[in-house]
Amino acid sequence: KQEVTQIPAALSVPEGENLVLNCSFTDSAIYNLQWFRQDPGKGLTSLLLIQSSQREQTSGRLNASLDKSSGRSTLYIAASQPGDSATYLCAVRPQGGSEKLVFGKGMKLTVNP
Amino acid sequence: DGGITQSPKYLFRKEGQNVTLSCEQNLNHDAMYWYRQDPGQGLRLIYYSQIVNDFQKGDIAEGYSVSREKKESFPLTVTSAQKNPTAFYLCASSPFETGSRETQYFGPGTRLLVL
Repeated sequence: KQEVTQIPAALSVPEGENLVLNCSFTDSAIYNLQWFRQDPGKGLTSLLLIQSSQREQTSGRLNASLDKSSGRSTLYIAASQPGDSATYLCAVRPQGGSEKLVFGKGMKLTVNP
Repeated sequence: DGGITQSPKYLFRKEGQNVTLSCEQNLNHDAMYWYRQDPGQGLRLIYYSQIVNDFQKGDIAEGYSVSREKKESFPLTVTSAQKNPTAFYLCASSPFETGSRETQYFGPGTRLLVL
């Protein structure tokens, strides 16, 4: 059974730091991996989607990498800002015919001014 | 504007009562999903539907029921059999394609509280 782990569960940093968020998964048979952002009491917003054949994706100050063989992904946030404060969730789409996503528990990020 | 709407934003349930959460999408997506989120937890799949008039149980379907009579709509009923319904419920949709390159799009959520 696919399991997704995000450690640590929470992180508090001063503004301006470069951040690395980690995600690990137990089964490398995946179609893709996604990073989502969730603001308090809100739905999820997709940040980056990496196909299994890709190594990384970039959007603005965000860069996500995927090492499928080792079951790891990292989300890099450059020059963090208070507006980046949110919960970040990692999810994988396992191979096998369904469209289900398997989520990690998320990491709550606080960027202090 | 294309998107997913969920209503109501807050819902209160009394003991023994069934309640229905609404989810509507105008993205022309075939697949729709219901997730439950508890504090400090990731999302857990309740039910999903890949096509009209068909749906499958997810990981935590007990105490819940769904219908998919229209492509745009996927309501979730929380029945009295669900003994711990307090949670944040999220609806999502995506194009249905095996190995899809598309992400899932999420609604704003409904918070269900027990009186």
